Amino acid sequence: NAGVMQNPRHLVRRRGQEARLRCSPMKGHSHVYWYRQLPEEGLKFMVYLQKENIIDESGMPKERFSAEFPKEGPSILRIQQVVRGDSAAYFCASSPLGSVRGYTFGSGTRLTVV
Amino acid sequence: QKEVEQNSGPLSVPEGAIASLNCTYSDRGSQSFFWYRQYSGKSPELIMFIYSNGDKEDGRFTAQLNKASQYVSLLIRDSQPSDSATYLCAARSLSGGYQKVTFGTGTKLQVIP
Repeated sequence: NAGVMQNPRHLVRRRGQEARLRCSPMKGHSHVYWYRQLPEEGLKFMVYLQKENIIDESGMPKERFSAEFPKEGPSILRIQQVVRGDSAAYFCASSPLGSVRGYTFGSGTRLTVV
Repeated sequence: QKEVEQNSGPLSVPEGAIASLNCTYSDRGSQSFFWYRQYSGKSPELIMFIYSNGDKEDGRFTAQLNKASQYVSLLIRDSQPSDSATYLCAARSLSGGYQKVTFGTGTKLQVIP
């Protein structure tokens, strides 16, 4: 029973390029959450998705960032025209419907913008 | 703004001592609370959750919840150097019709051999 799978583990992009981060939730989990963690800072909520629906994107920057969770395939966090300030660890977490337990996190994607 | 507050530390304790990590939350509607451990460069790992007032014990870990004071704590008995990590407190509450988890910024624990 694989856990939450994120790829790539490390991603280097030049300023102005696009970054695509992927997350496959645990089997049986229908809810996906994306968090960003800047160096030496806490986890900041970005977006909550269910299959084909964005439930809460209140933590997403208004420009350049988008997320999707299609009917088939992984959830994708997309960052267009990356800037140095986007360098961070991006964690995906999943949970089953109606769970009262905490989330299960993936291993994260470390994005470095050069 | 629903917040979870933690002292960033570092909290230094000698090996074998009890480490006490504290957390307060602002949303009285919060229903359940979590402690995650995060080693440097790794992802958060759930170690305890609690939703009833009082204590909950699991091995060397005890979570304590006081809803009247909006206070959550984590005690680590017989601290080991391998416990050195950042501990994140989180609270789950109802927001916009669904359950949302808010994290604190974490407390860095150093266990000195």
